[in-house]
Amino acid sequence: KQEVTQIPAALSVPEGENLVLNCSFTDSAIYNLQWFRQDPGKGLTSLLLIQSSQREQTSGRLNASLDKSSGRSTLYIAASQPGDSATYLCAPAWGYQKVTFGIGTKLQVIP
Amino acid sequence: GAVVSQHPSWVICKSGTSVKIECRSLDFQATTMFWYRQFPKQSLMLMATSNEGSKATYEQGVEKDKFLINHASLTLSTLTVTSAHPEDSSFYICSARPRGIGSYEQYFGPGTRLTVT
Repeated sequence: KQEVTQIPAALSVPEGENLVLNCSFTDSAIYNLQWFRQDPGKGLTSLLLIQSSQREQTSGRLNASLDKSSGRSTLYIAASQPGDSATYLCAPAWGYQKVTFGIGTKLQVIP
Repeated sequence: GAVVSQHPSWVICKSGTSVKIECRSLDFQATTMFWYRQFPKQSLMLMATSNEGSKATYEQGVEKDKFLINHASLTLSTLTVTSAHPEDSSFYICSARPRGIGSYEQYFGPGTRLTVT
């Protein structure tokens, strides 16, 4: 069964800290992996997409890495801001169609 | 670019009635659209995959007669919750995959909050 685990489930940090969110998945045969942000009661915002052939992607203060062979991805957030507070979802795609979500890491950045 | 809209953003209905939720890709054509459901403090779960012009494929445990999906055009898919019950109250999110070879990325709508009283 293809499963996604995100650690930690919740994280609270002071503003300005760098932080790492972890994602692990059970089957390494993924097509790609996306990181999303979800604000309370809202839909999803795509942050980064890493293709299976790539090792990392960067967008602004965000950097996502992918180690497909070990079934791991990390999302690095530099210089965190209160506006970064949200739930971050990891979503590997195993099939051409199918994306599976982790339960997310709830991040709170304290001013 | 790559914007997906959903309508309505929230809806309250009485038990036993039907509710239709629309998902539109605004600036691209989507041969495939996906419907997800999210219960409080749980992850998004794929309900069904719809391809334009063909029947939807439902995930195990999802009642196809209760959750009717119509993908009428390359920019519109609808989800109708028939004879809604309080346990159907949830957050429903659609996503769309752009038309094209090798296009794996999915773009998500803002979601629809359904409350059945």
